[in-house]
Formats: sequence, structure tokens, C-alpha cells
Amino acid sequence: GEDVEQSLFLSVREGDSSVINCTYTDSSSTYLYWYKQEPGAGLQLLTYIFSNMDMKQDQRLTVLLNKKDKHLSLRIADTQTGDSAIYFCAEPGSARQLTFGSGTQLTVLP
Amino acid sequence: NAGVTQTPKFRILKIGQSMTLQCTQDMNHNYMYWYRQDPGMGLKLIYYSVGAGITDKGEVPNGYNVSRSTTEDFPLRLELAAPSQTSVYFCASRDGGNEKLFFGSGTQLSVL
Repeated sequence: GEDVEQSLFLSVREGDSSVINCTYTDSSSTYLYWYKQEPGAGLQLLTYIFSNMDMKQDQRLTVLLNKKDKHLSLRIADTQTGDSAIYFCAEPGSARQLTFGSGTQLTVLP
Repeated sequence: NAGVTQTPKFRILKIGQSMTLQCTQDMNHNYMYWYRQDPGMGLKLIYYSVGAGITDKGEVPNGYNVSRSTTEDFPLRLELAAPSQTSVYFCASRDGGNEKLFFGSGTQLSVL
């Protein structure tokens, strides 16, 4: 089955860049996803990347995909306190059912 | 559009009690899901449905039941609550064209 792994915690200073990493196992996924969960709320789709791309930029967000190593990363430029949240990487695999990583708790320090 | 609506937001149960977590969506999505979220464990799929009248087990279905009599509603039933079912439960839905999930705001359940 699919397996998605992420580190549990990341702390950065306000204004710095954050990089959240993820590894996955199923190479058949057409898209790979990043979700954001703010305290007390459900997950919201943050961004996604088509598996044929190696980079996608969306304002302060940059997604990098290394398909050979099955490695996905999310970079947040100029991190703000409002970016403090849990970030989940997810892949659908061949069954098109999303498997989520354990989530990375991002803490932005003033 | 309200999106995906879950009720209740919080609930405390005693061991052995039963309850139903409600989920409804107004986006006419065929696919609906129930996940549980435990600290540091990510989301685990409990049950899912690909359309009205069709349900399937996910990764952790034991102790739960679901039904899907309409496209809009996908209730999750706990028959004999156990402390191991203390968790945050999320309902989600999507259309058939891609895997983008829309989530409800969650139900925090404690079984004491």
C-alpha cells in the first residue's frame, strides 16, 4: 500500500523561508497534494502538482517534485505567523484514494 | 454553498454508548469519506462511498458503520463506543474528476 512520510515539527523565524519535506511510495499518482490545517479546522487544499512537472510556483508557495527519489517539498517564502499550521502531504496512488502523511506542525516564531 | 457540514462539533460519550456523526454536502459530489485524526498519526480512512447506495471499508473500519442513502448525506455510526475511538473525525467529499478533497470542520469525540 501507499506510505507517505513527513517530519513532525518545523520552527522558523518570521520572514524566513520554510521547507516542508515529504516522501511517498506510489509512483503511479497523477497528482500530489499539499493540505493545510489551521487549529480547530478541517484540512484545506493548499496546492498540488502534476506528476509530470518538477516545479510549481504559486505566489509565496513553491512545490518541488523529484519523481525519481519520490520526494516532494513545499517551500513557503517570507513565512508569516498566519502560516502556522499543520501541513499534510497526500498522494492518491493507483486507487485514487488519498493517503496522507502524518503532518508537519509549522511554528512561526516572531 | 455551505460545502461539507459536520455535526456535532464536540461530543463526550461513555463507554458502550452509541452515536451517529452527521455529514452532509451540497456540492453534488459522488465520493464521500470518513477519516479519523489522532495526534502525530495523520488521517486514517475509516469508510468511503463512491455514490448513493455504495460503501466500502477503509483502513480502520472496525467499530464503525456507515450508510449512503442519498448523494448528500454520509452518516458515521459508532455502536459500542470504546476509549480507542477518542479522536477527531473528519468527513470529506470530492467529485469524480480529480482527487481534490473538501473537508468538514471536524467532530471532536471523547469516550470516557
